[in-house]
Amino acid sequence: ETGVTQTPRHLVMGMTNKKSLKCEQHLGHNAMYWYKQSAKKPLELMFVYSLEERVENNSVPSRFSPECPNSSHLFLHLHTLQPEDSALYLCASSQVIAGSYEQYFGPGTRLTVT
Amino acid sequence: GQNIDQPTEMTATEGAIVQINCTYQTSGFNGLFWYQQHAGEAPTFLSYNVLDGLEEKGRFSSFLSRSKGYSYLLLKELQMKDSASYLCAVRDGDYKLSFGAGTTVTVRA
Repeated sequence: ETGVTQTPRHLVMGMTNKKSLKCEQHLGHNAMYWYKQSAKKPLELMFVYSLEERVENNSVPSRFSPECPNSSHLFLHLHTLQPEDSALYLCASSQVIAGSYEQYFGPGTRLTVT
Repeated sequence: GQNIDQPTEMTATEGAIVQINCTYQTSGFNGLFWYQQHAGEAPTFLSYNVLDGLEEKGRFSSFLSRSKGYSYLLLKELQMKDSASYLCAVRDGDYKLSFGAGTTVTVRA
């Protein structure tokens, strides 16, 4: 089983739809992250959960709503998105202990908003 | 704010050496990562520097100078499979990574 999995891999949705992205990590990590990656732009950190508590929320519009029901699963609920939200959404996890801060990424969900 | 700069593109020949520079100006610094990302795939970890100096891992080496706000990733004996985007990221705190826009390296035969 690969370390971090994401579903779906591709998603096309209209601006009035509601959909959810799912991330699962099989590494026993205690922190999980959502990033947005747009073409030719740096990865943008959206949300961080540590021990299922949200610890970072980087001024993300409310049309993106994260949920972390347990330490292995992370969701990103989407509603009334805009075309500029089309991007690759990456999930990552890490074990936050002294000396170890590497983040492991999933393959991403390619989102297109029409 | 965070400012992390790296070149947009680099091209090199198979078997050659390429050096990807990264300069940063960030509000905090707790270490610097390099990641490799092939098109359509997840970023994968290459290296992590906290102290000044050179870290070597096989064909890849990474260097850090904290006083200069500067790092580089050195790729030796380039192979076609090294064609990818290379991301520089600064760790600020326990969780936050601030990324550069990435350097696309193209290896030609």
